[in-house]
Amino acid sequence: ETGVTQTPRHLVMGMTNKKSLKCEQHLGHNAMYWYKQSAKKPLELMFVYNFKEQTENNSVPSRFSPECPNSSHLFLHLHTLQPEDSALYLCASSQKSMGDTQYFGPGTRLTVL
Amino acid sequence: LAKTTQPISMDSYEGQEVNITCSHNNIATNDYITWYQQFPSQGPRFIIQGYKTKVTNEVASLFIPADRKSSTLSLPRVSLSDTAVYYCLVGDMRYDYKLSFGAGTTVTVRA
Repeated sequence: ETGVTQTPRHLVMGMTNKKSLKCEQHLGHNAMYWYKQSAKKPLELMFVYNFKEQTENNSVPSRFSPECPNSSHLFLHLHTLQPEDSALYLCASSQKSMGDTQYFGPGTRLTVL
Repeated sequence: LAKTTQPISMDSYEGQEVNITCSHNNIATNDYITWYQQFPSQGPRFIIQGYKTKVTNEVASLFIPADRKSSTLSLPRVSLSDTAVYYCLVGDMRYDYKLSFGAGTTVTVRA
């Protein structure tokens, strides 16, 4: 599946580090999403971008900072994370933000020490 | 978004048909039923979507009774590679982008 790619696939960082997750979609979609999936918990929607504009911030702490320079790329900048932020971070895209099937990337497995 | 209830887990053997039933008693008139599949450490993958009666694609079939208060995902002749978590989602596809993934059903296929 090469429609939505995410890098890196695995990331280990300390609480004082700054890192970024990258997502790229090759589907020509206009909406992109960040989700968090912690162990034994359902997926949680974090951010939604529609035509590069952020349309949803689901009460995410400011230590997570999204960036969407264009409709094909989405970043999640991380700084001063906590161990409880360790999770699988998933990126998804859809043709439009309302009512379209979302296509997910493989995720980045993040471990915060 | 309508609340959904599905079994936590199901076991099966290769070659068998697996049927997962999802209850959604408060489904609204404009709601569609969508199923996703997720393998370990991967993102969910869209399987099938329907509104009423029966929908079939190359992967699965979706059966929806007339009252639409439940739906059944049918996986024909499963193989070991069908071991995954299956999520039932219900929502108005005109407006809902906040996909609400519950715990899903963990299907384990054994040889």
